[in-house]
Amino acid sequence: EDQVTQSPEALRLQEGESSSLNCSYTVSGLRGLFWYRQDPGKGPEFLFTLYSAGEEKEKERLKATLTKKESFLHITAPKPEDSATYLCAAHSGNTGKLIFGQGTTLQVKP
Amino acid sequence: DAGITQSPRHKVTETGTPVTLRCHQTENHRYMYWYRQDPGHGLRLIHYSYGVKDTDKGEVSDGYSVSRSKTEDFLLTLESATSSQTSVYFCAIRQGASYNEQFFGPGTRLTVL
Repeated sequence: EDQVTQSPEALRLQEGESSSLNCSYTVSGLRGLFWYRQDPGKGPEFLFTLYSAGEEKEKERLKATLTKKESFLHITAPKPEDSATYLCAAHSGNTGKLIFGQGTTLQVKP
Repeated sequence: DAGITQSPRHKVTETGTPVTLRCHQTENHRYMYWYRQDPGHGLRLIHYSYGVKDTDKGEVSDGYSVSRSKTEDFLLTLESATSSQTSVYFCAIRQGASYNEQFFGPGTRLTVL
């Protein structure tokens, strides 16, 4: 069964304190691993797509990486405006559907 | 912004009443999706469409129906709303068969009393 698990559920950081969010996946025929950012009361905002193990993508303070079993979202020197829920999703080649994790809620304190 | 609007943005209704949510897109995308988001469950696919009048079920389709009579509109109907359908509903589009990314609308918060 296709499954995506994110950890931790919640993460509190001080401004400038770097950390990583984890996304573990078990998906048949992975056809893309996606990261989204979601602010309260809003829809998910697309951040990155990763297609193959070893691939990395960067955007400002965020860097996403991919292995054959998991993806990491690294946050370097975060700022309070990085506070949000980060969602991971895997595209199953078997079903053609996106399978979402439950998200990691990040709070960055000044 | 993928040119997606959802209406209404908020709705409170009573058990047993029919409810229709609308998703409108302005960029002529072929693929459209309806998800619900609940605490502890993440985003779950309800129904999706791969063209006008072409729709299929997702993992949580019971109690929901959809229609797509024109490219820009994808309607989600709760024939007889239940309290378990209280949720936030998101519409999403996919830009084409060669693209796997989905882009989401702002959501509709539905409360069924």
